[in-house]
Amino acid sequence: GAVVSQHPSWVICKSGTSVKIECRSLDFQATTMFWYRQFPKQSLMLMATSNEGSKATYEQGVEKDKFLINHASLTLSTLTVTSAHPEDSSFYICSARVAGQSMGQPQHFGDGTRLSIL
Amino acid sequence: GENVEQHPSTLSVQEGDSAVIKCTYSDSASNYFPWYKQELGKRPQLIIDIRSNVGEKKDQRIAVTLNKTAKHFSLHITETQPEDSAVYFCAASIRNAGNMLTFGGGTRLMVKP
Repeated sequence: GAVVSQHPSWVICKSGTSVKIECRSLDFQATTMFWYRQFPKQSLMLMATSNEGSKATYEQGVEKDKFLINHASLTLSTLTVTSAHPEDSSFYICSARVAGQSMGQPQHFGDGTRLSIL
Repeated sequence: GENVEQHPSTLSVQEGDSAVIKCTYSDSASNYFPWYKQELGKRPQLIIDIRSNVGEKKDQRIAVTLNKTAKHFSLHITETQPEDSAVYFCAASIRNAGNMLTFGGGTRLMVKP
């Protein structure tokens, strides 16, 4: 159980393009999803916390107008990288927490999306 | 906010030996400490976790210890195998902070056959 699906797994596009990444919880409901960015040989850096039915909470230094997050249902959150540039190239990973669980429960990760901007 | 430090950044052991990875955290309100294993280009996979109400947890060859007073926790892998080679991340979650995880910098473990 607790499977998170992330799509697409790999994107290569031209500078200036907007890219949408989907994160779905397949067998559970997730009121909260998290979006991370991971550069090569580095740790996971939280970008934002996505809450179903409300605005996302962004970490310091993350531009909310650049990284649009929508969490319209209990099983789907999307991250849109608007007008992507080469410096946005990275590995983006989402995770989800099962709705209703108390604090101190694991997050379940998607497979990640490797974004390459030419 | 929370700050998690992880050491060492790289660790090379011989197959069959033990491996220990250590993490320290800064916020005494942290109450949940998971460990993730990440193979190249893949998702982080939870391998073990511990909550602040216990000091040690074991699952076959993997164990985690927690010292709340010193604010550090460690991952112990015994009888290492080549398939244990990966990057390992510790993390800490702050009570009443929406289960947000702060990750350590990662440890690249290499098990030599």
